[in-house]
Amino acid sequence: DGGITQSPKYLFRKEGQNVTLSCEQNLNHDAMYWYRQDPGQGLRLIYYSQIVNDFQKGDIAEGYSVSREKKESFPLTVTSAQKNPTAFYLCASSIGNRIYTEAFFGQGTRLTVV
Amino acid sequence: DAKTTQPTSMDCAEGRAANLPCNHSTISGNEYVYWYRQIHSQGPQYIIHGLKNNETNEMASLIITEDRKSSTLILPHATLRDTAVYYCIVRGNYGGSQGNLIFGKGTKLSVKP
Repeated sequence: DGGITQSPKYLFRKEGQNVTLSCEQNLNHDAMYWYRQDPGQGLRLIYYSQIVNDFQKGDIAEGYSVSREKKESFPLTVTSAQKNPTAFYLCASSIGNRIYTEAFFGQGTRLTVV
Repeated sequence: DAKTTQPTSMDCAEGRAANLPCNHSTISGNEYVYWYRQIHSQGPQYIIHGLKNNETNEMASLIITEDRKSSTLILPHATLRDTAVYYCIVRGNYGGSQGNLIFGKGTKLSVKP
């Protein structure tokens, strides 16, 4: 089935460690996005990529890094520089960053710093 | 920042229509209104979008006022599975960051038996 897959669903990290969240899509979409969600809040944009080998910072990029070496994959690294990394992370993709295309979301990764 | 205003929460009886309002008074001429919903601890799900005409699909109807400053999402026969947070989003078409989805806090809809 076509879709967008995030792994793992739950992730625990020790304070001070970097951790990478996986996001893979087989929808042949050009654009991919990473969002962060805190309890009771809406989604906030971390990074987005409109095409392979290109990505842009969103509203809260500090402490995060991404890569887009393949069209299907857009991994997010939460670095030790991110002061409050515990959150629900959502990846999305769309055909392109165009007005008339909806975005499809993965099921999310819940990251907890212990 | 989100360009929309929605009530924090709403209740609806099972089987009745759920009407979710959204204000977007600063919407510009070529910005679309999108609706997504998020069931607890899942990724958001696309529902519907529109520019100025009313739209309907298998999930819902979208009614946009003539001046486009507000809209209403209608779930015609709400079920318990429709309990979720509903997000109304105004999305630009300028390319680049203007095309990104900017989420507010949404409306928490509780469908009750």
